[in-house]
Formats: sequence, structure tokens, C-alpha cells
Amino acid sequence: GESVGLHLPTLSVQEGDNSIINCAYSNSASDYFIWYKQESGKGPQFIIDIRSNMDKRQGQRVTVLLNKTVKHLSLQIAATQPGDSAVYFCAPRAVFISNFGNEKLTFGTGTRLTIIP
Amino acid sequence: ETGVTQTPRHLVMGMTNKKSLKCEQHLGHNAMYWYKQSAKKPLELMFVYSLEERVENNSVPSRFSPECPNSSHLFLHLHTLQPEDSALYLCASSQALAALGYEQYFGPGTRLTVT
Repeated sequence: GESVGLHLPTLSVQEGDNSIINCAYSNSASDYFIWYKQESGKGPQFIIDIRSNMDKRQGQRVTVLLNKTVKHLSLQIAATQPGDSAVYFCAPRAVFISNFGNEKLTFGTGTRLTIIP
Repeated sequence: ETGVTQTPRHLVMGMTNKKSLKCEQHLGHNAMYWYKQSAKKPLELMFVYSLEERVENNSVPSRFSPECPNSSHLFLHLHTLQPEDSALYLCASSQALAALGYEQYFGPGTRLTVT
């Protein structure tokens, strides 16, 4: 099966600093990407999305960058706060319809962001 | 908290037991999903329902049996599970199929342990 949303497993950031979480994907047909945040004991929560005709999108304290050439996304969190501690996933839209032929698309395992006080 | 609830939150069952997981969404959505999240593994899509019809069965073993009696409720019936089925089972819903670009809302999950 094909894996998508490959992340470094952990990231530790000082409170108040900016965080950058990176994600690589392998399905070049992906045209829409979503970042999710999953806090301990909770389900994933939508943060921000981006379409492939964009290379940057900004939200409240978050910015997503998309580089289609190298199939890479990043999520930037400004002025990281303790409440930002969570696991962050990126996922192409295609993961939700899955099962293209013999492929089984999945989310990655995510990056666990830890905030250092 | 999201508008998607799941019960029970924790479940321990033996391999010969039969149990069911329940999901309810209060958002008026038309699509619902079951996902499996195992430790140190990616989130895996299991089943997709749109307007109460199953539109995706992602090669899931028959010991997992979904049921969607109406657009607000989704069940996952479990029988003769294996220890490797221990995981967090997440339910999600969306206004229409996520494949069309609709955002999914996840429930808190049911932590299942098979002994």
C-alpha cells in the first residue's frame, strides 16, 4: 500500500517560539490537503486546508505551505502555546476515498509537538 | 467539544465476545466514517457511509460489521476479535463525502482492548 503524510515523529519547541511541522506525501495526484490536530484523548480536529493551486494559506496563528514539486507541506504555528501540544497530521483528500485499485491510502503517523515551558 | 459523540469511550472485550460501538452526530451531516488508529501506525479508513448507504469498505475483516440505520447514527459491530484489533476507533461525519472537499468532524474515539 501507499503511505502518505510522512512526518518526523516528534518535535519539541520552546513556548513562544514558532513551530514548523513538515510532511511529505507520495501521491502526486493529490489536489487538496488538510492538517489535523489530535490532542490526547480526543479525535483529530481540522486546523487548515490548502488546494494544490495555492502554495500558501494563512489562518489564525497558522500558515500552511505547499511545494508540489517536491511533494512537501509544512505547517507553521506562530508563538507556540502550551495548548498547541498535540499530534499533527497532514492528509491529502484522496485518503478519504482510498482504495484506488490496489492502493490503500492512509494518514501518516503524525508529528507529536511538545511545548517546553 | 465536537458534535460527534461515541460510546463507550473505553471497552475491554475477550476474543469470543460480541460488542458494538456507537457513534452519533448532531450536525445534520449526510456522510459518516469509521477509522482505526493503532499505536504507532497511521490512521486507517475502514468504512464510509453516504446517505445511509455504504460507499466504501476498505478491505476490512468480516469480524467488523458496520451499520448505519439513519444519517445520524453509525454502529460498528464486533465479534471474535483478535488482540491486534486493539486500537482507538474513531467515528467522523461530514456534510457530504469528504472526497468532494467537505470537512470531517471526528468524535473522541472508543479505546478498544481485546484480551
